[in-house]
Amino acid sequence: GAVVSQHPSWVICKSGTSVKIECRSLDFQATTMFWYRQFPKQSLMLMATSNEGSKATYEQGVEKDKFLINHASLTLSTLTVTSAHPEDSSFYICSARVGTEAFFGQGTRLTVV
Amino acid sequence: AQTVTQSQPEMSVQEAETVTLSCTYDTSESDYYLFWYKQPPSRQMILVIRQEAYKQQNATENRFSVNFQKAAKSFSLKISDSQLGDAAMYFCAFIQGAQKLVFGQGTRLTINP
Repeated sequence: GAVVSQHPSWVICKSGTSVKIECRSLDFQATTMFWYRQFPKQSLMLMATSNEGSKATYEQGVEKDKFLINHASLTLSTLTVTSAHPEDSSFYICSARVGTEAFFGQGTRLTVV
Repeated sequence: AQTVTQSQPEMSVQEAETVTLSCTYDTSESDYYLFWYKQPPSRQMILVIRQEAYKQQNATENRFSVNFQKAAKSFSLKISDSQLGDAAMYFCAFIQGAQKLVFGQGTRLTINP
């Protein structure tokens, strides 16, 4: 199956700083990627849909200025958490689709201290 | 809007026994896809099985099978001969066309040795 690689797997940052998470499709081109947030013991919550060469589409309630998404190429989408605060600590997962099947990155555990 | 409901937050089964996880969904569409994903402690999302709504035959993948009841909008997962490695969170998911993947709340499955 297709492979989606997400980096880093975990990151700790200081409150007020920004952190970038990368999501790469290794063996296929992804015009669309998805970013999810997952709280402990909960389901995946879609944050935004990343579109190559255009602006991302954010879900209701997601701050677009805090969670910056860039999809500059057909194999790379990035999520930047700007001015991070402890409440942004969470598990972030990216995904890309091939047809109707979704492939997921390994996830990134973000801890803001 | 499509919704997916998993009414069992937690389930447990004895090793080598069979367990069934429930999932219901709501849609007005007739052509769609259903999935079961497994999320082990590593938190990597793994596709377990998929079902195309236009197919009447229930999907099967080794020890995993589904009971797809389209009229009842039900999509349960049966795990036979449960193994310790089956312990994980299981998510039922739905997708229709180019729309976003919709997840259920998840069921935490524990395997008792």
